[in-house]
Amino acid sequence: AQSVAQPEDQVNVAEGNPLTVKCTYSVSGNPYLFWYVQYPNRGLQFLLKYITGDNLVKGSYGFEAEFNKSQTSFHLKKPSALVSDSALYFCAVRDRDAGGTSYGKLTFGQGTILTVHP
Amino acid sequence: ETGVTQTPRHLVMGMTNKKSLKCEQHLGHNAMYWYKQSAKKPLELMFVYSLEERVENNSVPSRFSPECPNSSHLFLHLHTLQPEDSALYLCASSQDRSRTDTQYFGPGTRLTVL
Repeated sequence: AQSVAQPEDQVNVAEGNPLTVKCTYSVSGNPYLFWYVQYPNRGLQFLLKYITGDNLVKGSYGFEAEFNKSQTSFHLKKPSALVSDSALYFCAVRDRDAGGTSYGKLTFGQGTILTVHP
Repeated sequence: ETGVTQTPRHLVMGMTNKKSLKCEQHLGHNAMYWYKQSAKKPLELMFVYSLEERVENNSVPSRFSPECPNSSHLFLHLHTLQPEDSALYLCASSQDRSRTDTQYFGPGTRLTVL
């Protein structure tokens, strides 16, 4: 079974400060990892994903995430937060090595509400 | 943003009504998905279609009935729903079912069952 944990329901940060949204995962094999953002009354927007290669992944809107296999983490980061970054953030994992059909289920965390204060 | 569209955006229905949710993707993708998003719960995958064939049904009650007439359109037919079915229903699409593929989401339909 695969799972994702986002240990913080809420993260508050001042505009201009760095932000981190935490994510840890559990899969039986190797992971593919994704971050999505959801603004109020909108669907999920893709930010970035880790498939293979460089552990530091750069994505949309200045976000990046670092894959850490030993800590089974994929924390989302941004050097300087904007008020417009305030939203709900989801981490998701898919098991690269799961058997069966070519489709691997994408499992989402419960989400972290990021609030950036002016 | 406009790659995956969903209608209606809001729907209020009684438990005896029959309604349908519609999703359309303009990305040329071959796989489509229905998810349910309830407050304070992770997204729940309901159905997966690949090339118009249903490839996954995650133990969804029969009061939810999906239909995929072609690779661009996906419907979710609803009948005799329960109040606990009130949620945001999200449609997504991806190029195919590859594990590396990114899923792109529509804005969702906010469903309220009275």
